[in-house]
Amino acid sequence: DAGVIQSPRHEVTEMGQEVTLRCKPISGHNSLFWYRQTMMRGLELLIYFNNNVPIDDSGMPEDRFSAKMPNASFSTLKIQPSEPRDSAVYFCASSPSLGLAGRSSYNEQFFGPGTRLTVL
Amino acid sequence: DQQVKQNSPSLSVQEGRISILNCDYTNSMFDYFLWYKKYPAEGPTFLISISSIKDKNEDGRFTVFLNKSAKHLSLHIVPSQPGDSAVYFCAASGGAQKLVFGQGTRLTINP
Repeated sequence: DAGVIQSPRHEVTEMGQEVTLRCKPISGHNSLFWYRQTMMRGLELLIYFNNNVPIDDSGMPEDRFSAKMPNASFSTLKIQPSEPRDSAVYFCASSPSLGLAGRSSYNEQFFGPGTRLTVL
Repeated sequence: DQQVKQNSPSLSVQEGRISILNCDYTNSMFDYFLWYKKYPAEGPTFLISISSIKDKNEDGRFTVFLNKSAKHLSLHIVPSQPGDSAVYFCAASGGAQKLVFGQGTRLTINP
């Protein structure tokens, strides 16, 4: 059974260019999360979706960042224009649907391998 | 505003000894806590969790302790093995599906 799939695994781009990161969640999972990992701040939640609807985007740094989930099997995170300070590893994670009490049993999230972004 | 803090960026432990990783949180609304383990070039993977109604949860060599009054949790690994060398992230949830992660602690197990 395939896990969370992310592409590309590595991206090197120049400042000012548009960057699009892609994610395919685990089939049947209803929640999808985008994280950014940096040395200083660890893993930061950028945005998450439930049933393809954005629920919380308070972690999105600024208007240069946008995320979409057009269907249950695909999501994108776009940075336009990119800046050197956006260099980080970006993770996508998915989680099973909320339980009867409004939350899953363990809140376990399954992470993809990440995209390492370098903006020169 | 870091709601979940792991104050030790790194920890080195001898093989066979106990590894203790610490995590502090500030938000009293957090009611579920998790530890994730991350190897290089891979995504984090779930390790163990604990609900706020408990103060201890054990799974094989891994035990998580929760001290709600101190807003502190710790992960104990005993005995430590070379394969435990990884970055460990503490995470907390206050409901819904949102997790707040700490900065991570790099654990190195020396032979």
